[in-house]
Amino acid sequence: EAQVTQNPRYLITVTGKKLTVTCSQNMNHEYMSWYRQDPGLGLRQIYYSMNVEVTDKGDVPEGYKVSRKEKRNFPLILESPSPNQTSLYFCASSLSVVNSYEQYFGPGTRLTVT
Amino acid sequence: KQEVTQIPAALSVPEGENLVLNCSFTDSAIYNLQWFRQDPGKGLTSLLLIQSSQREQTSGRLNASLDKSSGRSTLYIAASQPGDSATYLCAVRPWTNAGKSTFGDGTTLTVKP
Repeated sequence: EAQVTQNPRYLITVTGKKLTVTCSQNMNHEYMSWYRQDPGLGLRQIYYSMNVEVTDKGDVPEGYKVSRKEKRNFPLILESPSPNQTSLYFCASSLSVVNSYEQYFGPGTRLTVT
Repeated sequence: KQEVTQIPAALSVPEGENLVLNCSFTDSAIYNLQWFRQDPGKGLTSLLLIQSSQREQTSGRLNASLDKSSGRSTLYIAASQPGDSATYLCAVRPWTNAGKSTFGDGTTLTVKP
């Protein structure tokens, strides 16, 4: 089944403890992206990757890191999480952005930082 | 900076009614516009994607239109059903950087049996 998977789905952690949220797609998509969704603020883009080893900042990159060493994986790293990073996180992918392919979303990761 | 607005924030209709959801954007230089639905606690499901050169797209009971000059898109849902109840979001990609996406806050639709 073609899908975008995220792990973990739920995570409660403490301030300052480094964590990684994994994202993987099995559709051979070139493009991948991370978003966070907060009540009243909607969905905001954190980072995106046009292809392997090509990443760029979205609208809210502060406090996050990403890497794209393989086509299928695009992990989101929080090196020193803070309570304001408590949010619902989504990973998305599309075949490419050239020729306007649809974005497909993962199920989400609910992160709580205490 | 691109801003995307969806009005109304919430809409309640009786089953069977035809309805229109609105999406407005401030910068008309877009690459494409995509409509999604989101069920509570779930991820986003793609409904329709309209490229900048297109005027509309249709899928089943859904029809999305795009008017770049006025900065507007509409999602038309025909013969609404309770299963259509969800939050509907639109997202635009700018022509200058198609890797970026800006989302509206969504319209929460309730279809009453």
